[in-house]
Amino acid sequence: EPEVTQTPSHQVTQMGQEVILRCVPISNHLYFYWYRQILGQKVEFLVSFYNNEISEKSEIFDDQFSVERPDGSNFTLKIRSTKLEDSAMYFCASSEERGQRQPQHFGDGTRLSIL
Amino acid sequence: TQLLEQSPQFLSIQEGENLTVYCNSSSVFSSLQWYRQEPGEGPVLLVTVVTGGEVKKLKRLTFQFGDARKDSSLHITAAQPGDTGLYLCAGGDPAGANSKLTFGKGITLSVRP
Repeated sequence: EPEVTQTPSHQVTQMGQEVILRCVPISNHLYFYWYRQILGQKVEFLVSFYNNEISEKSEIFDDQFSVERPDGSNFTLKIRSTKLEDSAMYFCASSEERGQRQPQHFGDGTRLSIL
Repeated sequence: TQLLEQSPQFLSIQEGENLTVYCNSSSVFSSLQWYRQEPGEGPVLLVTVVTGGEVKKLKRLTFQFGDARKDSSLHITAAQPGDTGLYLCAGGDPAGANSKLTFGKGITLSVRP
């Protein structure tokens, strides 16, 4: 069964450094998402992306965050200057079509640890 | 702000027992998705319910969406140790054109052999 893949599985970065998290969505999916889960807390929406632009973003997704689809397969999340509170699991998801009722399929996440 | 409350937070039962867990909100959702998450992995989609009152079955799991689309339940018949895991519900935002999901904190289920 097709799946969303994320790399790396674990990223350790010094505070203030830039980090790029990578995702390969399911090949025929057109809508892409990033969520994060701080240890012990809920999964939180960060951003949705369609047709090479951001569709919606949460208040968490400030100017330090950016997303990009640099080629036909990858979808990346960049954090420009990491802070300690950015430590979390970051999940990429994709869905085939647009709409509130479309199932979203998640990758296994990247654990980001900021030192 | 839409909130989803899941209950109970933790549940430990004996193999073979039946159980029902809940996902409640004061807000209306366009859809409700149930996921199961294993440690170190991402959420795996179990089912999506979209119509008020809808019931969907997945083997021994029965999912129901409330008539007012504000709540959902998951019933497991004859639980097995393989059902152990974290069960998450997530609601689709009815106000937005996109598919932002709002997650509950999850229910940690432990089924003892």
